[in-house]
Amino acid sequence: GQQVMQIPQYQHVQEGEDFTTYCNSSTTLSNIQWYKQRPGGHPVFLIQLVKSGEVKKQKRLTFQFGEAKKNSSLHITATQTTDVGTYFCAGYGGSQGNLIFGKGTKLSVKP
Amino acid sequence: NAGVMQNPRHLVRRRGQEARLRCSPMKGHSHVYWYRQLPEEGLKFMVYLQKENIIDESGMPKERFSAEFPKEGPSILRIQQVVRGDSAAYFCASSSTGERNGYTFGSGTRLTVV
Repeated sequence: GQQVMQIPQYQHVQEGEDFTTYCNSSTTLSNIQWYKQRPGGHPVFLIQLVKSGEVKKQKRLTFQFGEAKKNSSLHITATQTTDVGTYFCAGYGGSQGNLIFGKGTKLSVKP
Repeated sequence: NAGVMQNPRHLVRRRGQEARLRCSPMKGHSHVYWYRQLPEEGLKFMVYLQKENIIDESGMPKERFSAEFPKEGPSILRIQQVVRGDSAAYFCASSSTGERNGYTFGSGTRLTVV
């Protein structure tokens, strides 16, 4: 079945440093979504990318969807302590097109 | 506009007991999805339901687990004869038409089996 893989699993950065997490799918995706989960919290939808090569920005966050629609990345510029959490990518798969999540990248930010 | 409501937030059960987890979707939403998250792990799809129908239960263990979404009332995820390995956070999400947009998740139920 479809797999969605994320690297790295953990990332520790100093406040102000940049951060990037990468997502790869074993199959071509119709779209890709990104979620953030704070420690002890629930996943919160950040964004959806649909078009090949699409780039979207949300303040310090930049999301990219690969040309082949099999990979994606999330880049955070000048991290802040409020960026702490786990970032998940997710793509549709399964017999009914259910959302398949990667295992996430856990970001910690040292002040 | 209440979001997706899950209760209880925390549930402790002894091995062999039953656990019932409830999820009330957002107003107007008729599609519900259940996910399980083990500590330090991602979200694993369990089941997708519409009102009175199970659409996809391919992620649900074949034994002890069941889910329903009745015409009236919340969606229920039921785990019979719980074991320690069932300890996890269970999240539900809802959507209005099953469209492929972002999911709104509830706050989850943290199940601990002792």
